Amino acid sequence: ELKVEQNPLFLSMQEGKNYTIYCNYSTTSDRLYWYRQDPGKSLESLFVLLSNGAVKQEGRLMASLDTKARLSTLHITAAVHDLSATYFCAVDIVKTSGSRLTFGEGTQLTVNP
Amino acid sequence: ETGVTQTPRHLVMGMTNKKSLKCEQHLGHNAMYWYKQSAKKPLELMFVYNFKEQTENNSVPSRFSPECPNSSHLFLHLHTLQPEDSALYLCASSQDYRRQYFGPGTRLTVT
Repeated sequence: ELKVEQNPLFLSMQEGKNYTIYCNYSTTSDRLYWYRQDPGKSLESLFVLLSNGAVKQEGRLMASLDTKARLSTLHITAAVHDLSATYFCAVDIVKTSGSRLTFGEGTQLTVNP
Repeated sequence: ETGVTQTPRHLVMGMTNKKSLKCEQHLGHNAMYWYKQSAKKPLELMFVYNFKEQTENNSVPSRFSPECPNSSHLFLHLHTLQPEDSALYLCASSQDYRRQYFGPGTRLTVT
């Protein structure tokens, strides 16, 4: 059974600081996603990582993937309040009939002024 | 994001009621999914449909009954639910194995 673990589950940080969220998974995967969810809202896709060593950046967020270590990281640079949300990683096992996402528990990020 | 819509957005129902959740995707995708998001638990995949055919039932109790009349519409029929079924139900769609796009969700409360 595929397991996906994120840490930390709760993160409170000050504006301007840097931090990293970690996502570990237990079996070989075809791809890895990072999603953002604001309270009461749906999931917004941030990044898809397809291969070992993949790195994607968008604004203050950068995601990377190490398939050998089965580890993905989401790095936050110079955090701002607008980044406060819950961040999920999801590991995808692809089948011809569609994908099968297994989600981590989520990291609830609060950025304080 | 209006590519995937869900109705209703909020639903309160008693344990003896029967209700249905509706999902519609306007993206031309061929796969649709139901997920359950409970408090303090990861999102759980419930059902997968591909070209209207159910391809996965993730050990979901029979009080949840999905229906996919065509590739654009997906329903989740609910009957004799339990309070622990209260959750946010999310619909998603994708083209084959590509990225899934999520709807806004239906917040379900079972009383």
